Amino acid sequence: GENVEQHPSTLSVQEGDSAVIKCTYSDSASNYFPWYKQELGKRPQLIIDIRSNVGEKKDQRIAVTLNKTAKHFSLHITETQPEDSAVYFCAAGGVGNNRLAFGKGNQVVVIP
Amino acid sequence: DTGVSQDPRHKITKRGQNVTFRCDPISEHNRLYWYRQTLGQGPEFLTYFQNEAQLEKSRLLSDRFSAERPKGSFSTLEIQRTEQGDSAMYLCASSLSRQGATEAFFGQGTRLTVV
Repeated sequence: GENVEQHPSTLSVQEGDSAVIKCTYSDSASNYFPWYKQELGKRPQLIIDIRSNVGEKKDQRIAVTLNKTAKHFSLHITETQPEDSAVYFCAAGGVGNNRLAFGKGNQVVVIP
Repeated sequence: DTGVSQDPRHKITKRGQNVTFRCDPISEHNRLYWYRQTLGQGPEFLTYFQNEAQLEKSRLLSDRFSAERPKGSFSTLEIQRTEQGDSAMYLCASSLSRQGATEAFFGQGTRLTVV
């Protein structure tokens, strides 16, 4: 089955700086890659996703890039704010069945 | 609140007891998923339904676990003869299967503690 790995496990950044989280996946058939943000005690919330027919997608301060050849994708957060502090999960899946395989998560800490 | 809702939010049970959780998906969503999340880990897929049909079950889902979605709306997840290793957050998610739209939205989860 699909195996998704995330790194680094913890990332601390100064407010205003950029944060980058990288994920790799194993199954070349995966074609849907969402990112979820989970604050302590709350539900995972979808923040951005990308499908395999595009290489990059941007939504305000958040962007995701996908390299299908290398089987990795990254989340970029620019101009970080304290409210960006959370655990971020990447996931990979197939559009057909929509079952997602998640990484272990990255704890992002934005230091004011 | 028109999002995915789960009940109860918390459940403490003694080892060996049976528990049942409920999930109400977003009303127009035909796909419903159950995931399990333990501390420091990402959600792990358990099973999913398209309408009332259970289309896939993970190998993580032992015989003690059963899920239903009888009318293609809400779903229940039952764990029989609970074990301490079943302690986790059980998350439900739903999505609408149509071309190009596969976003899955999660509920708040049911936190199970087996003592």
